[in-house]
Amino acid sequence: AQKITQTQPGMFVQEKEAVTLDCTYDTSDPSYGLFWYKQPSSGEMIFLIYQGSYDQQNATEGRYSLNFQKARKSANLVISASQLGDSAMYFCAMRPSGGYQKVTFGIGTKLQVIP
Amino acid sequence: DSGVTQTPKHLITATGQRVTLRCSPRSGDLSVYWYQQSLDQGLQFLIQYYNGEERAKGNILERFSAQQFPDLHSELNLSSLELGDSALYFCASSAGQVSTNEKLFFGSGTQLSVL
Repeated sequence: AQKITQTQPGMFVQEKEAVTLDCTYDTSDPSYGLFWYKQPSSGEMIFLIYQGSYDQQNATEGRYSLNFQKARKSANLVISASQLGDSAMYFCAMRPSGGYQKVTFGIGTKLQVIP
Repeated sequence: DSGVTQTPKHLITATGQRVTLRCSPRSGDLSVYWYQQSLDQGLQFLIQYYNGEERAKGNILERFSAQQFPDLHSELNLSSLELGDSALYFCASSAGQVSTNEKLFFGSGTQLSVL
């Protein structure tokens, strides 16, 4: 069974600063994918970034990057140059390999960007 | 717009009642997932279907059932509702390929309030 742990219930960041949201995971699968989703106050879930367990480089998507440390089983999301619109809940998720397995989500981190 | 349609957006009902939540996946997606989001609980995986067949099951109560129809839309049935069933219910879809990088596309959710 896989598990996602997000230990930061809430975070504050000053506008234009960078922020790191922590995510650790536990799985026995040798191959898996890691995702980050954003949930604004409007409620929809928005895909941000993906990292494969065998990817050699850390994933980047615009202002989002993933600090992937496989040995430590961590996949932290880094948001650079924070904007007010980044205020939202952020969820880390994992999909194992090997068929039609569930995508497991963490409990989320609430990020608030301060002007 | 993710392309995943959920109806209704809001549902208010009484304890003991039964409701049906509907989901239409993105065009071409074969897999449908149902998640429950309660306060402080993150997204709890309920069940997954692939092309009409159940593929993975999570912490879904026996009072809950789901199915995916030949046209690929899915319904989640919740019966003998209790106050604790009040939550945001998400449907998500994906292509259905066996790949760790297959991301989920979420609907806007159905907010269920049991009074």
